[in-house]
Amino acid sequence: NAGVMQNPRHLVRRRGQEARLRCSPMKGHSHVYWYRQLPEEGLKFMVYLQKENIIDESGMPKERFSAEFPKEGPSILRIQQVVRGDSAAYFCASSPPGQGAGSQPQHFGDGTRLSIL
Amino acid sequence: AQSVTQLDSHVSVSEGTPVLLRCNYSSSYSPSLFWYVQHPNKGLQLLLKYTSAATLVKGINGFEAEFKKSETSFHLTKPSAHMSDAAEYFCVVSAPAGNKLTFGGGTRVLVKP
Repeated sequence: NAGVMQNPRHLVRRRGQEARLRCSPMKGHSHVYWYRQLPEEGLKFMVYLQKENIIDESGMPKERFSAEFPKEGPSILRIQQVVRGDSAAYFCASSPPGQGAGSQPQHFGDGTRLSIL
Repeated sequence: AQSVTQLDSHVSVSEGTPVLLRCNYSSSYSPSLFWYVQHPNKGLQLLLKYTSAATLVKGINGFEAEFKKSETSFHLTKPSAHMSDAAEYFCVVSAPAGNKLTFGGGTRVLVKP
C-alpha cells in the first residue's frame, strides 16, 4: 500500500512565477492536509480538505495561495507570484474518514522543497 | 486554543544511553498528543499517540511517552539510544475531535558513537 505521494520532491521557481505542488493521499484516505515548514522550525498547518471541499483554511495566507482536492486526481497546493519568503518545505498528510486526529492519525508524505531564486 | 513547547532544541546523547525529550502543552480541553520523527529530507513518521486511554504510551522503535495532566507534560523517552535515532522529533497536539495538528518547534537529536 503506497504511502502519501508528493511531487515534485524539489521545485525551483523564480520570483513572480507560479508553483504547483501535488499530493496523492494514501489509498482509502479522503482527508488531506497541507503544512509548511520553514528552516529550523516546526510544521505549521495551512489547510484541511476533503474531496471537493475546503474544511479549514485558517492557516492559509490570504493572498496568492490556494488549494483544491478534486473528485478525481491529486490535491494541489498552488502559489501564485512566488516570493523569496515562500521558500520552505511543504508537507501533505492524509487520513481516513473519522473523528479527528486522535482516532485517525495523519500520515505524511516526504514533502516538496520549494526554492525561490 | 492549543500550543506545544519543546524545551530543548538540541539533545546530544551517547549510543546506548537513555534519551529524554521534553514537551509541555497547553490546551483548553483534553487533547490528543503525538510524537513524530523526521529524518533528513524525509516526511514525518508517527512514533506514538495518546488519546485519553493509558497514560504511559508505548511506540515504535523502543520509544515511550508518559502523559502527566498535572504537569501538562508528554515527555518522550528511550532507554538506550541507537545511531539510527539521530533525527528531529516533534511533539504535536490536536483537539480530540479536531483535525488540525499544532507542532512544537522540534528537538534535534544527535547520537554519538
